[in-house]
Parts: sequence; structure tokens; C-alpha cells
Amino acid sequence: AQSVTQPDIHITVSEGASLELRCNYSYGATPYLFWYVQSPGQGLQLLLKYFSGDTLVQGIKGFEAEFKRSQSSFNLRKPSVHWSDAAEYFCAVKTSYDKVIFGPGTSLSVIP
Amino acid sequence: KAGVTQTPRYLIKTRGQQVTLSCSPISGHRSVSWYQQTPGQGLQFLFEYFSETQRNKGNFPGRFSGRQFSNSRSEMNVSTLELGDSALYLCASSPLQGNTGELFFGEGSRLTVL
Repeated sequence: AQSVTQPDIHITVSEGASLELRCNYSYGATPYLFWYVQSPGQGLQLLLKYFSGDTLVQGIKGFEAEFKRSQSSFNLRKPSVHWSDAAEYFCAVKTSYDKVIFGPGTSLSVIP
Repeated sequence: KAGVTQTPRYLIKTRGQQVTLSCSPISGHRSVSWYQQTPGQGLQFLFEYFSETQRNKGNFPGRFSGRQFSNSRSEMNVSTLELGDSALYLCASSPLQGNTGELFFGEGSRLTVL
């Protein structure tokens, strides 16, 4: 069955430090992959998406993600974290039945 | 362009009651999906509607139901509420059936069951 895992439940970084959030997926074909962000009390906002082509994709707010088929991974990165990046981050995959399923999420805290 | 609107934003019910939540998608979007978000289970897919037809369904009991109207607005209903139904219910719209999966979320309806 298709699934998404995010190994890190919670990550704390200092403001200005780099960030990498991990995501692994289980899917037979080339997946459609997404990263979403959720601020407290809000819905989810799409950060970036991968469908095909260049495996390094750029998103909003300075985020990027790299698709690695050999590792079944789609890790999210940001070179310099801002305090406003503190939020919950969700990796997601669109399944063959057109459902979008989400990973458990990684909570990011930023130390000023 | 207005975003996805969910009403009500907050509500409190007691066990055994039923609740109806509403979602107005982005104008032009014909697909509406519903998710339940809880701290323990994360985001769980409930169902998806497209052109008034349920296209996908998650693994929830029959107490959870939904529908979509001709203007693409959607409602979900939970009958015989249980304490475990307390959650944030998120609605998301997308423009086309069979699309890339990009979802546009509302801010959610937070249901508390006492």
C-alpha cells in the first residue's frame, strides 16, 4: 500500500541555521509528491510539488526539495531558517486512485 | 480569488448528537476532499467529491457521510457523535478530476465532542 513516512516527529533549529526535513514514500510508479506547511490554527498551504523532470524543485518561502528515486525520498531543505518558519510540515503523495495521503508530520521549532 | 471557506470554525457537541460541516471551494474548483486531523492519527482522508459524485472514500465508519452540490459546495455529516470524533476537519479543493493532486485547504472546522 502507498504510504508516507516522516522519521522526525520534532526538530529544533536555531534561526539562521539550515534545515532538512526527511520524507520517505512507498509507491510503485513515479509519484506525485508534495510538501505542505501548517501554522497553528490554520489549514495547510502547499510549499512545493514534484511531478516529473528536474529532481530539485523550488517552492515558496525559500524552500526546496530533492526527489531521489533510488532512496524513495523527497527531503525538504532551507538554507537559512527564519523564526516564522516554525510550523508543522507534512509530506504527501498522490496515490494511483487519485487520493492524496499525508505523512505524520514534522513539528519545527526555531530558537531565536 | 477567495480561498476555501469552512463553516463553522468551532463547535461543541455532546455524544450522540450529529453535526454538519460546510465547505465552499475556490471558484472553479470542482473537486472537494475532506480530512480529519487529530494529534494521534494525523491527517486521515475521509472522502472526495467531484461533480456531485463521491470518487474516493477513506476508512471511516458509515456515521461519516458527505455530499456535494451542483455549485461544488460540499457538506459532511457525522451522526451519533463519539468522543473520538473530536478533531479538526479540513476541507480542500482542487480544480480538476485526475489532477496532479495539488490541494487548497480551508482553515478547518474544529469539533469538540463532550
